[in-house]
Amino acid sequence: DTAVSQTPKYLVTQMGNDKSIKCEQNLGHDTMYWYKQDSKKFLKIMFSYNNKELIINETVPNRFSPKSPDKAHLNLHINSLELGDSAVYFCASSHWTDHTEAFFGQGTRLTVV
Amino acid sequence: GQQVMQIPQYQHVQEGEDFTTYCNSSTTLSNIQWYKQRPGGHPVFLIQLVKSGEVKKQKRLTFQFGEAKKNSSLHITATQTTDVGTYFCAGLGSYNTDKLIFGTGTRLQVFP
Repeated sequence: DTAVSQTPKYLVTQMGNDKSIKCEQNLGHDTMYWYKQDSKKFLKIMFSYNNKELIINETVPNRFSPKSPDKAHLNLHINSLELGDSAVYFCASSHWTDHTEAFFGQGTRLTVV
Repeated sequence: GQQVMQIPQYQHVQEGEDFTTYCNSSTTLSNIQWYKQRPGGHPVFLIQLVKSGEVKKQKRLTFQFGEAKKNSSLHITATQTTDVGTYFCAGLGSYNTDKLIFGTGTRLQVFP
């Protein structure tokens, strides 16, 4: 069983479209994250949810809207996609109380054309 | 805001040579973690350091946390081609609401 799973793995779409990426973890963690990795491999945190509650919201355009229906799921919806949104998006999860290792999903490579 | 820088950005070594990457935070950290990302893969946790001056070893990998808890290093002895990838440090600030901030990463290439 995959610990943190993201779908889809690849996403190619046109500018202006709206798309969603789904993430699920079966580790029993209470905290989930979205990270964006650009072409230079920099990993930047976007959002963090703890028990379905938004904890961290970095300076991300409001076209990006995370949704956590329960603590095992954290989805990312992106409106009006732009070329600069092309990147690999990673979902991750961990335990909040001791901040031990974060488990990452396989990533979603988003290409906006 | 908190920044975590790593040097070097890239390192090419011959198989068998040693490799070191250095991580520096602009603020004091409560702990530091190291991750490895293989080409085309996702970051995978290697280790966590918590105490000032802590040193941990995993086979050929040696991790160190600075005395001031603002810097860290990862040293690989006698690199192998399987060590290829990008190594990230990730620092956690001192407050419970702080986030795990990833360093800029060091991309290691090992030539046989």
